[in-house]
Amino acid sequence: KAGVTQTPRYLIKTRGQQVTLSCSPISGHRSVSWYQQTPGQGLQFLFEYFSETQRNKGNFPGRFSGRQFSNSRSEMNVSTLELGDSALYLCASSLDRNRNYGYTFGSGTRLTVV
Amino acid sequence: GNSVTQMEGPVTLSEEAFLTINCTYTATGYPSLFWYVQYPGEGLQLLLKATKADDKGSNKGFEATYRKETTSFHLEKGSVQVSDSAVYFCALYHGSGNTGKLIFGQGTTLQVKP
Repeated sequence: KAGVTQTPRYLIKTRGQQVTLSCSPISGHRSVSWYQQTPGQGLQFLFEYFSETQRNKGNFPGRFSGRQFSNSRSEMNVSTLELGDSALYLCASSLDRNRNYGYTFGSGTRLTVV
Repeated sequence: GNSVTQMEGPVTLSEEAFLTINCTYTATGYPSLFWYVQYPGEGLQLLLKATKADDKGSNKGFEATYRKETTSFHLEKGSVQVSDSAVYFCALYHGSGNTGKLIFGQGTTLQVKP
């Protein structure tokens, strides 16, 4: 079966712009989480969605937001981009009842803010 | 709070050498534990997992045992190959419902030389 698909793979944006990243989970997975990966901070949890509702949120400013659609696809949005938002953004999906059995990650979207 | 600590890298080994990457965690209760691997330019791949104390996770020659008494989940492989060169992340999943999320260690880079 298809894995977790993230689009686009690469993005270059200018400071102050906004960006939208997309994630399609594995078929049947209703839990979708987002993580930010940077060399300095490592992997940090952004938020998790389940059945179109944000279920959990990490310690990121309000410029970071997301949503989930009825088909479980998810998008995250970053407004008023800052240089420090340059990172690899990873999406992960899981069967809700088996989240403690592990998440499947996509290949990520590499965002560069200039 | 919950946290994961990994040994710092990079770890440089010759092909066929024995590998150990140390991982310890801090968490209340009984988290699930994971090792993920990240190859250059890619997302995270689940390598192995253990969901309760004394469980041994194994995959592709890698092993790790969930040690509740020492709060550890060290990754081992008896004979590494050049193709094992990657970044390895130890992680825990704790909580349920609205609080569960993956918490990652800082990652350990493994370089295997022919």
